[in-house]
Amino acid sequence: AQSVAQPEDQVNVAEGNPLTVKCTYSVSGNPYLFWYVQYPNRGLQFLLKYITGDNLVKGSYGFEAEFNKSQTSFHLKKPSALVSDSALYFCAVRAPGSNYQLIWGAGTKLIIKP
Amino acid sequence: DAGVIQSPRHEVTEMGQEVTLRCKPISGHDYLFWYRQTMMRGLELLIYFNNNVPIDDSGMPEDRFSAKMPNASFSTLKIQPSEPRDSAVYFCASSPGRYNEQFFGPGTRLTVL
Repeated sequence: AQSVAQPEDQVNVAEGNPLTVKCTYSVSGNPYLFWYVQYPNRGLQFLLKYITGDNLVKGSYGFEAEFNKSQTSFHLKKPSALVSDSALYFCAVRAPGSNYQLIWGAGTKLIIKP
Repeated sequence: DAGVIQSPRHEVTEMGQEVTLRCKPISGHDYLFWYRQTMMRGLELLIYFNNNVPIDDSGMPEDRFSAKMPNASFSTLKIQPSEPRDSAVYFCASSPGRYNEQFFGPGTRLTVL
């Protein structure tokens, strides 16, 4: 079965430190991968996506993600965390040949401490 | 562009009442999605439309739920009759194409008493 896993419910990082939010997937074929962020009482906002090409993708707010096909991972990273990065982060994947449905991870709560 | 617009932002109703949620997608976007978000089940796709035509409604939980898209700029999600377990945040999202990212509205927080 096709799936997306975000193995950490919560990630705590000190402000200024690098952060990583993990995502692994299980789909057949070459996936399309997405990261979204949700601030409290707001809708999800698109951060970045990987379709093809360079494995390192840069997105909004200084975030980047690296596609690793051998490890079937698409971890979200930022070199220096800000308190304002505190939010809920979702990974999503669209499998080729699917009916366009995105498969969503359960979300990871990121807490940046001053 | 104003982004995806949803109304109402909050809805409190009593069990058995009809609830109608509304969505205006971003102009020019051909895809429209309805999602439900709860703590227990996370983000669930209920139904999506392409060019106003429902493509996949397999996520609609029961016959009590129905969705329409009479034109490219308006969609509704209706629950009749509503039940307490329908309490959730309902999001509408639109996308310009099948390979593009989705743009979400602010959501409607539904509480069924």
